[in-house]
Amino acid sequence: AQSVTQLGSHVSVSEGALVLLRCNYSSSVPPYLFWYVQYPNQGLQLLLKYTSAATLVKGINGFEAEFKKSETSFHLTKPSAHMSDAAEYFCAVRVSGGSYIPTFGRGTSLIVHP
Amino acid sequence: KAGVTQTPRYLIKTRGQQVTLSCSPISGHRSVSWYQQTPGQGLQFLFEYFSETQRNKGNFPGRFSGRQFSNSRSEMNVSTLELGDSALYLCASSHPGEGSTGELFFGEGSRLTVL
Repeated sequence: AQSVTQLGSHVSVSEGALVLLRCNYSSSVPPYLFWYVQYPNQGLQLLLKYTSAATLVKGINGFEAEFKKSETSFHLTKPSAHMSDAAEYFCAVRVSGGSYIPTFGRGTSLIVHP
Repeated sequence: KAGVTQTPRYLIKTRGQQVTLSCSPISGHRSVSWYQQTPGQGLQFLFEYFSETQRNKGNFPGRFSGRQFSNSRSEMNVSTLELGDSALYLCASSHPGEGSTGELFFGEGSRLTVL
């Protein structure tokens, strides 16, 4: 079975500060890992994904995430927050060779203060 | 390529009524999944259809049903609506196949309010 834990339902940062959203996963086999973003009144949009090619994955809008197998983590970071980054962020895991249905975390709401 | 289209975007129903939501996937995508999103429960998986067959199902009562047509368009139906069914219903399509990572492409959702 696979599972995802996102630490912190809300994260608040100042504009220009580092963004760090935490995600830990549980999987008995090599996983595929995803970060999705949801802006108000919209669906989810893929930010980036890990597919075992490179441990440091770069996504859209300046976000990146690092896969750390020893820590079973896939934290999302951005060096400098922008007001437009305010949104809900979801981490998801899917095991390779298994069901095509990913398991989503509960989501983290990113609040950016001017 | 057009994205995933969901209709209607907003709707209001009363308890006991039924509702049908529609989803048109990205052209060429044969898998369609449905999710319910609420503030308290987050994203919950309803079901997934592939080539007109329900391939996976979440833990929802039988009042929630769906189907997929030969053109991959999908509908979901909720009968005997309850207040707790108020939610954003999201549809996602994907192109599962050999080597696929299972990335999902979401529509903007249908926001259902049950009064």
